Amino acid sequence: EPEVTQTPSHQVTQMGQEVILRCVPISNHLYFYWYRQILGQKVEFLVSFYNNEISEKSEIFDDQFSVERPDGSNFTLKIRSTKLEDSAMYFCASSEGPGPNEQYFGPGTRLTVT
Amino acid sequence: EDQVTQSPEALRLQEGESSSLNCSYTVSGLRGLFWYRQDPGKGPEFLFTLYSAGEEKEKERLKATLTKKESFLHITAPKPEDSATYLCAVQARQYSSASKIIFGSGTRLSIRP
Repeated sequence: EPEVTQTPSHQVTQMGQEVILRCVPISNHLYFYWYRQILGQKVEFLVSFYNNEISEKSEIFDDQFSVERPDGSNFTLKIRSTKLEDSAMYFCASSEGPGPNEQYFGPGTRLTVT
Repeated sequence: EDQVTQSPEALRLQEGESSSLNCSYTVSGLRGLFWYRQDPGKGPEFLFTLYSAGEEKEKERLKATLTKKESFLHITAPKPEDSATYLCAVQARQYSSASKIIFGSGTRLSIRP
């Protein structure tokens, strides 16, 4: 069964460093998303991406964040200068079409900023 | 503002003891309501999509229903492997091509053997 994959599973970085989180969405999906979940809190939307551009973004997704689809299979989230409060699980998701198509989530990358 | 509230926060049941989880929502035009299962340290696993009031979906011991303001996830004769956090999420009618979904806080379900 096709699934979303994410690497790395765990990333530890120092405050102020840049990190890139990687995702491989399901192959025939065209819509891509990033969400995050701070420990013990809700899953929160960050950004959606379609046709090589950002479709929607939340207030969390400020200038420190960027997304890219560098090739036909990968989808990345970059945080330019990490802060302590960026520590969270980051989930990539993909869907075949726009709403109300279900979004399928990857296993997540745990980001720890020290 | 679009919002999803789930209750109870936590539910402990004996194996075989049926119950229901509640999800109430406020959204500016519902496009779809989703149920996900999340195991500790893992990503949400898709269970159901409901589109309109009166709709029902079933999968093994789980059944999801939808009204204009609420959704219920009924669990019949649960087993210990059903222990997980169950997340409800909604997608509002919007004009962007790739619309976000808004999650509730979840119900942490624990089934004792």
